[in-house]
Amino acid sequence: EDQVTQSPEALRLQEGESSSLNCSYTVSGLRGLFWYRQDPGKGPEFLFTLYSAGEEKEKERLKATLTKKESFLHITAPKPEDSATYLCAAGSGGGADGLTFGKGTHLIIQP
Amino acid sequence: GAVVSQHPSRVICKSGTSVKIECRSLDFQATTMFWYRQFPKQSLMLMATSNEGSKATYEQGVEKDKFLINHASLTLSTLTVTSAHPEDSSFYICSARDGARWATEAFFGQGTRLTVV
Repeated sequence: EDQVTQSPEALRLQEGESSSLNCSYTVSGLRGLFWYRQDPGKGPEFLFTLYSAGEEKEKERLKATLTKKESFLHITAPKPEDSATYLCAAGSGGGADGLTFGKGTHLIIQP
Repeated sequence: GAVVSQHPSRVICKSGTSVKIECRSLDFQATTMFWYRQFPKQSLMLMATSNEGSKATYEQGVEKDKFLINHASLTLSTLTVTSAHPEDSSFYICSARDGARWATEAFFGQGTRLTVV
């Protein structure tokens, strides 16, 4: 059974304090690893798709990396507006939508 | 990126009434749309797959007679919660795929907060 585990569940940082969020996955035949940002009361906003181990993608203060077992979302010098829940999902082609979601990491950046 | 519009963003209805939620792909054709339900501090739970021009496919445990799905065009899918009860209160989210690309990017609507009183 495909599984995606995100850690930590919640993370509180000071503004400017860099950190990383983890997404560990066990899927058969990974086709893509997705990162989303979700603000309260909103749908997930697409951030990145990673396709193969060693791949990295960056967007502003965020950088996503992928290994064969996990993905990291690195946040550099975060600002309060980066506060959100970050979801990762593994795409394997299994299941109707081909996606297995983690429960997310709730990130709070304090000024 | 592609845009998926979901409406309404919030709805409050009385127990026993029906509520319709719309999901539109604004700049691409979506042969497949997905409907999810999300509980507080939980991940997205897939409810059903909406296929244009054919019957929806429901995940195990989801009542197809309660959650009616219609995908009449390549840009619109609707979810109707029939005879709503307080336990149906939740956050519903749709997602649409560009039929030409599998999961290169799955785009989500803004979500609908349903409260049944």
